[in-house]
Amino acid sequence: QSVLTQPPSVSGAPGQRVTISCTGSSSNIGAGYDVHWYQQLPGTAPKVLIYGNNNRPSGVPDRFSGSKSGTSASLAITGLQAEDEADYYCQSYDSSLSERVFGTGTKVTVL
Amino acid sequence: QVQLVQSGAEVKKPGASVKVSCKASGYTFTIYGISWVRQAPGQGLEWMGWISAHNGNRKSAQKFQGRVTMTTETSTRTAYMELRSLRSDDTAVYYCAREEVDTAMVYWGQGTLVTVPA
Repeated sequence: QSVLTQPPSVSGAPGQRVTISCTGSSSNIGAGYDVHWYQQLPGTAPKVLIYGNNNRPSGVPDRFSGSKSGTSASLAITGLQAEDEADYYCQSYDSSLSERVFGTGTKVTVL
Repeated sequence: QVQLVQSGAEVKKPGASVKVSCKASGYTFTIYGISWVRQAPGQGLEWMGWISAHNGNRKSAQKFQGRVTMTTETSTRTAYMELRSLRSDDTAVYYCAREEVDTAMVYWGQGTLVTVPA
């Protein structure tokens, strides 16, 4: 069982805005550890979308943005496109476990 | 450009061991650590452990302690992950990833499928 909880699925029409939540606790996100977000297309390796809570690597569209508050973090996708259909994972560090931890994952469907 | 190239797919019998390699290029190997992450069929990402390519310090997830060994070979810029006493539920794609200081995994290998038939 992951210590970071995400909704199993979210969906939206093209052009809409969707958000994915990542709920943790006082030993990970709430302790101030950075949250990172990854996109995984079918059959491919994960790709970093957001690092350090709200930073986008070069090449990642500004339609993707991250935020963090308290014991939770969120990934927002604005102007949803068909190519955004993928699995998304949050990741942080947990001080109780002394381990990197991934979220449970969220499948984004473009209607 | 930064690249991590992993070894090919493996099929192992229950109880055997597997050693996956991850060859790095395009950056100074000893500056960054390498994390190992696996993904069982249809499942999410699972962190297995991390090793510093600078000094060999390592940390494995409690779930894998005693069964996993991570090493690096500076001369060949290669990281290795060995998993022992394989079971059918170890069937997964195993990834290596270069880790930044804040634990972000920015560069990933292409993945290595390890199959352990029941």
